[in-house]
Amino acid sequence: GAGVSQSPRYKVAKRGQDVALRCDPISGHVSLFWYQQALGQGPEFLTYFQNEAQLDKSGLPSDRFFAERPEGSVSTLKIQRTQQEDSAVYLCASSPLAGGPSYEQYFGPGTRLTVT
Amino acid sequence: DAKTTQPNSMESNEEEPVHLPCNHSTISGTDYIHWYRQLPSQGPEYVIHGLTSNVNNRMASLAIAEDRKSSTLILHRATLRDAAVYYCILRKTSYDKVIFGPGTSLSVIP
Repeated sequence: GAGVSQSPRYKVAKRGQDVALRCDPISGHVSLFWYQQALGQGPEFLTYFQNEAQLDKSGLPSDRFFAERPEGSVSTLKIQRTQQEDSAVYLCASSPLAGGPSYEQYFGPGTRLTVT
Repeated sequence: DAKTTQPNSMESNEEEPVHLPCNHSTISGTDYIHWYRQLPSQGPEYVIHGLTSNVNNRMASLAIAEDRKSSTLILHRATLRDAAVYYCILRKTSYDKVIFGPGTSLSVIP
């Protein structure tokens, strides 16, 4: 069956450009998460959606980062005025239900962003 | 948030069992213990999770200490495909986000 997909898989941006990263979660999944993974590090939480509501954005590193999920399915992570420190792999994950610590998350392959 | 501690790296011979340890001495009574792994150039994938009792599934077994301050992920017969970074994670009841540490990088020697 279809898993979580992300596009583009690779993105090269010049410093100062805006980028938009897309996540298609598994159909019907209520919860959606974004993570940032720097080279050699574990993923770091950015933000969490339950349907269309953004319930936790405590991990967004600055106001240049913005995420949305307007219809409760596809989500977009936007980074404005990219900087070199934004270079990382951006991972999206979805989970079938809301709340609860026992539900597993299904991760996409990630988008590798390189800012030059 | 409760933290976990794992060795940075481990090695195993192919077709031998592997025991990956995790310490979580500040775990709370309602934290679930989850394990994920990340193969090179892929997103993390769920392996197993448990609360108090030992758990088995087709991928691995999870042994949880009686005081829950540590756990061990057991791969019964390591294959080359099991070479990955393994993350031990605690999930609290009030949040859904997953807090990853640096994990354990497992190398499997043919």
